[in-house]
Order: sequence, then structure tokens, then C-alpha cells
Amino acid sequence: SAVISQKPSRDICQRGTSLTIQCQVDSQVTMMFWYRQQPGQSLTLIATANQGSEATYESGFVIDKFPISRPNLTFSTLTVSNMSPEDSSIYLCSVEWTAYGYTFGSGTRLTVV
Amino acid sequence: GENVEQHPSTLSVQEGDSAVIKCTYSDSASNYFPWYKQELGKGPQLIIDIRSNVGEKKDQRIAVTLNKTAKHFSLHITETQPEDSAVYFCAVLNTGGFKTIFGAGTRLFVKA
Repeated sequence: SAVISQKPSRDICQRGTSLTIQCQVDSQVTMMFWYRQQPGQSLTLIATANQGSEATYESGFVIDKFPISRPNLTFSTLTVSNMSPEDSSIYLCSVEWTAYGYTFGSGTRLTVV
Repeated sequence: GENVEQHPSTLSVQEGDSAVIKCTYSDSASNYFPWYKQELGKGPQLIIDIRSNVGEKKDQRIAVTLNKTAKHFSLHITETQPEDSAVYFCAVLNTGGFKTIFGAGTRLFVKA
């Protein structure tokens, strides 16, 4: 399956600041997905990122808060902007690898203080 | 939209026993049903999946069954081992829509 490298693995940030999370895939993929996983909870899709076009955001998530870049077929970034403690979560990137099955990165554990 | 319910939220079994986790879904157009295992500090990992034209699929100690009429599917783990301890997520996808919906997760504890 695809190998996904996600950075940073964890961070503690001050409220009001921004954090950019990087996701590097070892193969070219069409779609990359960004998920949020709040403590002890399930996975919620933030947005889908296609190379060469703007990301598609799910209900409840907006580009100003979670800007996404997708400069090529192997890389994407998610920025969490103007952070508050409510943004403390695990953020995961994933790609479709087997037909419809996903491969996930190891996640970024974000704590906002 | 699609709604996925997963039960139980926590499951504790003795090593060697079987574990069963069940999910129900609402959209009859859903046609792909994967299961993911998430170990502590890691991202979810796809462990088995089933498509709507199949009723059962096995892979060693893991099996998934699907009842399309009743709109539910289950994960079966036999001869459980301590390394099976993790959080398991079911998921549902309508392959025409490209959006996977995840269940709430089941935390499985296998006691040695």
C-alpha cells in the first residue's frame, strides 16, 4: 500500500496561532483527504484535496479556518488557523489506495493551550 | 445522508475467545464496507472490506458478513490475541459519491 509521511507527529500551540501539517505520499494519487479525530471519537472528514483545484470542504469546515494546499500529486498541507482549545484533535491525512479503501498517515496530535 | 451506527462501544474478551462488532447503515445505495483497526498513536489501518455483491469474506482470523436487506454488517475476530486490542471502525461508502462515513468505533480489549 501507499506509505504516508505526516509531519509533525504532535505539537502544542498557543491559541491564536496557526499550524501547518504536511502530508507526503510515496506514490502519485488523485485525491487526498484530511480528517479530524477528536479525543476518543470517530473520524470526521474536513476536506478532499485534488491536485490543481481548490479543496472541497465538508459542512462545518471552511477554507479560512482550514486552508489546504495540493501543489502536486504526492503532497498536501492542511493549516489550522487562529487556533483555539476546541481545535485540539488528531488530524489525519489519507489517500485512496485499494479500490475505495484508504491508507492513513500516522496523524498529528495537536494540543492548543 | 448516510448514518452509521456501531455497537458495542467497548468490548472486553478473554484471549482465545471470539469478538463480534456490528454496524448498521441507512443508505441502501451504499456498496462498500471496510473495517479499520487503529492502534494507539497510529492512523487507522484497513484490515478487511466487503462489497455489496458478497455476503461474507474471510481473511485468516478475521471475517466480515453483510446483510444488505437488513442493512447491517459485522466484523468477526476468532481466537483473539492481545495484539488484537485496538479501536475498530466500520465504514460505509457509496462508490458513486467518494465519501466514506465512519462508525463511532469499538474499543476492543483482549485479556491475556
